[in-house]
Order: sequence, then structure tokens, then C-alpha cells
Amino acid sequence: ETGVTQSPTHLIKTRGQQVTLRCSSQSGHNTVSWYQQALGQGPQFIFQYYREEENGRGNFPPRFSGLQFPNYSSELNVNALELDDSALYLCASSSPRPPNPEQFFGPGTRLTVL
Amino acid sequence: QKEVEQNSGPLSVPEGAIASLNCTYSDRGSQSFFWYRQYSGKSPELIMSIYSNGDKEDGRFTAQLNKASQYVSLLIRDSQPSDSATYLCAVPGGTSYGKLTFGQGTILTVHP
Repeated sequence: ETGVTQSPTHLIKTRGQQVTLRCSSQSGHNTVSWYQQALGQGPQFIFQYYREEENGRGNFPPRFSGLQFPNYSSELNVNALELDDSALYLCASSSPRPPNPEQFFGPGTRLTVL
Repeated sequence: QKEVEQNSGPLSVPEGAIASLNCTYSDRGSQSFFWYRQYSGKSPELIMSIYSNGDKEDGRFTAQLNKASQYVSLLIRDSQPSDSATYLCAVPGGTSYGKLTFGQGTILTVHP
């Protein structure tokens, strides 16, 4: 069984640039959620994708957007990067079993915005 | 009131002791509760899930849930230095489907 994978591991961008982060879900999981974790804080929910559609969104501006592909992999896009976007970006996959499925995290992408 | 609150750390215990980590949540409708362990520089790892009132044991870990008091805890028996990590409590729900709401985490240090 393959776990959740993310790429790249680390990324350095400058303010105003755009970034794309990628995630492959765990084998058998068709739901992907994205989280942002600032240093010393718990992860904050950005959004979730199921069947290639956004299935819930946290309190993040529209410059945070995503995609899910037919193979259940997903991308997180962030436009007009700000210094405060520097964080660990986590992807979690789950299977949609009710009532609330367990979510399993990938290794994360560390984004630094200069 | 924060949606999920954890006891402020850091928590330091000697090797072999019991470490007790606590979490309270605000949504009375919550049905599932998760504990994640996060080593420094790594991603969160799911270590316990609990859905019913009472205790759930898995090896040295015991999760305790009291829905009436909106309280969930994690006990680590015979603590080892390898248990030193940040422990995150997570609760599904809120206004967004699929969302896990995390506490701020409790840093646990187990010293030899």
C-alpha cells in the first residue's frame, strides 16, 4: 500500500509569485484535503476535494485554489504569494466512509516566501 | 472560545511515567476524535481514533472520551524518549465539510 506523497519537499519563492504544490493520495483513497501549518500552530484546513470538486473550504482567500484529477491526485495553487504564506503545506487523504473518516497526512511541502 | 483547546505545554515527564494530554472541544455534535503525533520537522501521524464514550486502548496509548464534558484525553503509559513530540488533538466538523479542526498541540518531552 502506497502512502500519501507530496512534491516538492521544499520551495523558496518571492512575494508576488505563484506556486503549485502536488499531492498523490494513499492507495484506495479518493478524497484529498489540504492544510496550512504555521510554525508552532496546529494545521489549518484550506479545502477538500472529492470526485474532482471542492467539497468544503476553510477561511482562506480565493488566491488559494486547487484541483483534483481523475486518479485522485491533487494540486494546491497559491497566487500572489505573501510573506505570511510561509508555512508547511500538508495534504491528507481519506476514503469517504461515514461518519467522519480518518485522514492520513503526507510528508508536507515547506514553503518559504521571501 | 476556541473550537479545540489543548492543555498548554510543554509537558515534561521522566522515562517510564504516564504522560497525560488533554483536549476540550466546543461542538457538542462532534462524533469523532483523533490524536496525531508530530515529530519536529515531520508531518502529523494518526495514532488514535475514538468515537464512543469511554476508553480505547492501543498498546501503551489510551484515549478517553467524555462527550458530556466535551473532553478527550490521551494517556501514554511507560513513556519513552521516543514519545517526545508534539501531540495534536483533532475534531471533525464546523462549517466546512471534511474539515478537521486541530488544537494548537502540546509538546511532550520524555527525559531519561
